[in-house]
Amino acid sequence: SYELTQPPSVSVSPGQTASITCSGDKLGDKYACWYQQRPGQSPVVVIYQDDKRPSGIPERFSGSNSGNTATLTISGTQAMDEADYYCQAWDSSTVHVVFGGGTKLTVL
Amino acid sequence: QVQLQQSGPGLVKPSQTLSLTCAISGDSVSSNSAAWNWIRQSPSRGLEWLGRTYYRSKWYNDYAVSVKSRITINPDTSKNQFSLHLDSVTPEDTAVYYCARAKWGSWDATAYYDMDVWGQGTTVTVSS
Repeated sequence: SYELTQPPSVSVSPGQTASITCSGDKLGDKYACWYQQRPGQSPVVVIYQDDKRPSGIPERFSGSNSGNTATLTISGTQAMDEADYYCQAWDSSTVHVVFGGGTKLTVL
Repeated sequence: QVQLQQSGPGLVKPSQTLSLTCAISGDSVSSNSAAWNWIRQSPSRGLEWLGRTYYRSKWYNDYAVSVKSRITINPDTSKNQFSLHLDSVTPEDTAVYYCARAKWGSWDATAYYDMDVWGQGTTVTVSS
């Protein structure tokens, strides 16, 4: 089955740039999404189709996807960005949604 | 604005059936551009996709291998909602369950599957 791998945790200082990676075999040949989940809340999509940002999501959130790695970048990270982040892709061969294990972003 | 409202019991006994409903407002369960999903989340499994139902001239379902023998997802067009039924539950099925809408299609033969609207989540505990 297809797997997506994320680092368990990433730390960043306020105002700095945070990068969260998501790795999978030929992930660049698929579309990747990113979800933000704050404690006790439902996931919210922050990036879809690799690099598109939904309305209402701040411009500091951006995404890229190439080769085996998709990356979520948060520029000028704010305290409110502290949350868990999950990548997700669609595996057409198995007709399954696949999630990464999640990354806890800490803003120190 | 599309909203999903979940309902169902928070406590289920082992060996019984877990049943949840997701009511849709602002969209149609029969939409030709969406799929309607159930996902669960637990500390041990993270986010786990369980399955979906969607309409493309007729109804289709896809289920995760891990629950395929126990799961049913049904649309209800009269109430514009869809439901999850998970049979023979064990404590391993204890989790927060979410419903979600996916916008699903393809660009240049590459499929996208964006879950853009989520329900509020239902904490389900399997215990006697």
